[in-house]
Amino acid sequence: DTAVSQTPKYLVTQMGNDKSIKCEQNLGHDTMYWYKQDSKKFLKIMFSYNNKELIINETVPNRFSPKSPDKAHLNLHINSLELGDSAVYFCASSHGSQREQFFGPGTRLTVL
Amino acid sequence: DAKTTQPPSMDCAEGRAANLPCNHSTISGNEYVYWYRQIHSQGPQYIIHGLKNNETNEMASLIITEDRKSSTLILPHATLRDTAVYYCIVSVLGAQKLVFGQGTRLTINP
Repeated sequence: DTAVSQTPKYLVTQMGNDKSIKCEQNLGHDTMYWYKQDSKKFLKIMFSYNNKELIINETVPNRFSPKSPDKAHLNLHINSLELGDSAVYFCASSHGSQREQFFGPGTRLTVL
Repeated sequence: DAKTTQPPSMDCAEGRAANLPCNHSTISGNEYVYWYRQIHSQGPQYIIHGLKNNETNEMASLIITEDRKSSTLILPHATLRDTAVYYCIVSVLGAQKLVFGQGTRLTINP
């Protein structure tokens, strides 16, 4: 009965590989997000989707491609992984104009 | 970029009230003050938000100055589980984008 879930929790991979992180929410929210938290602990938004449509794309390299098959899922696919992609990635969801975003537990990505 | 200024760290004794300040001198009339916290290795957690009136919920109280240029988050009886990084964020309601600053690392000591 987790509200926002992400898989995997940990992901270790080599440079140049392609990987995906999955996110699912069971809150009935219509808006989902991806945030990146780097080694210095800065938390920055990457993407926002509302009803499966891209709303926010914060100058993220096009190696990152979010995909929303339905309102409950927002997956993040990353091509040609680089060392600088190592970070913790958080998925979040909210109901449109509601006040709060609910965050998932995070996926720690390590690129070797 | 973040529009808020917070002290980088604070300490508080268990059982006492923790008062976390935040400056947001450039806040606009339609921007709310939100507080989130991030306990180690977990995703951020919403705490409270307000526009101009003081707010209270089961987690905390939010005191906003009359000129709205600063606010204080109050955890009335801090416990060890309240040790976390606390983020003060100003944003339009439903903006869909939270801009996190560096936050305040609050340590509750036994």
